Amino acid sequence: EAQVTQNPRYLITVTGKKLTVTCSQNMNHEYMSWYRQDPGLGLRQIYYSMNVEVTDKGDVPEGYKVSRKEKRNFPLILESPSPNQTSLYFCASSLIAPEIGELFFGEGSRLTVL
Amino acid sequence: DQQVKQNSPSLSVQEGRISILNCDYTNSMFDYFLWYKKYPAEGPTFLISISSIKDKNEDGRFTVFLNKSAKHLSLHIVPSQPGDSAVYFCAAISHGGSNYKLTFGKGTLLTVNP
Repeated sequence: EAQVTQNPRYLITVTGKKLTVTCSQNMNHEYMSWYRQDPGLGLRQIYYSMNVEVTDKGDVPEGYKVSRKEKRNFPLILESPSPNQTSLYFCASSLIAPEIGELFFGEGSRLTVL
Repeated sequence: DQQVKQNSPSLSVQEGRISILNCDYTNSMFDYFLWYKKYPAEGPTFLISISSIKDKNEDGRFTVFLNKSAKHLSLHIVPSQPGDSAVYFCAAISHGGSNYKLTFGKGTLLTVNP
């Protein structure tokens, strides 16, 4: 089954404790990206990757890091989480770029930073 | 500065009638537009898209219209069904060289009443 898998789905952590949210897709997609969804703000792009070893900032990259060492994986790293990073996070992928292939989203990871 | 605006947070329509969801944008560099639908506790799913060289794209009950001069697009759902009740996000892509940046609106909650 074609899918985008995120882990963990739910996480409560404390300020400053490094964490990684993993994202994996099994569709051989080149394009992957991360978004956060906050009430009243909609979906905002954090980082995206056009292909292996190619990443770029979205609209809200501060406090986040990403890596794209393999085509299928695109982890989101919070080196020192803060309460304002409490949010619902979505990973997504598409075959090439979003306008050529539809964007497939994962089910979301709800993160709470205390 | 919000570049993609969905000014109606919610919309309620009767089953069988037309639903019209609106989206405005400010960035003239946007050249591809997409609509996504999101149910609670799920990731967004791609619905329909349109290139800036077109003014209309149709897929079954869903039609997207683009008015470039007004920087406005709309999604028409005819006829509306209760299963269409969801949050609808408008999104736009700008190309910077070989990179693609995706910007979402805040979303509109559509409720279709039986």
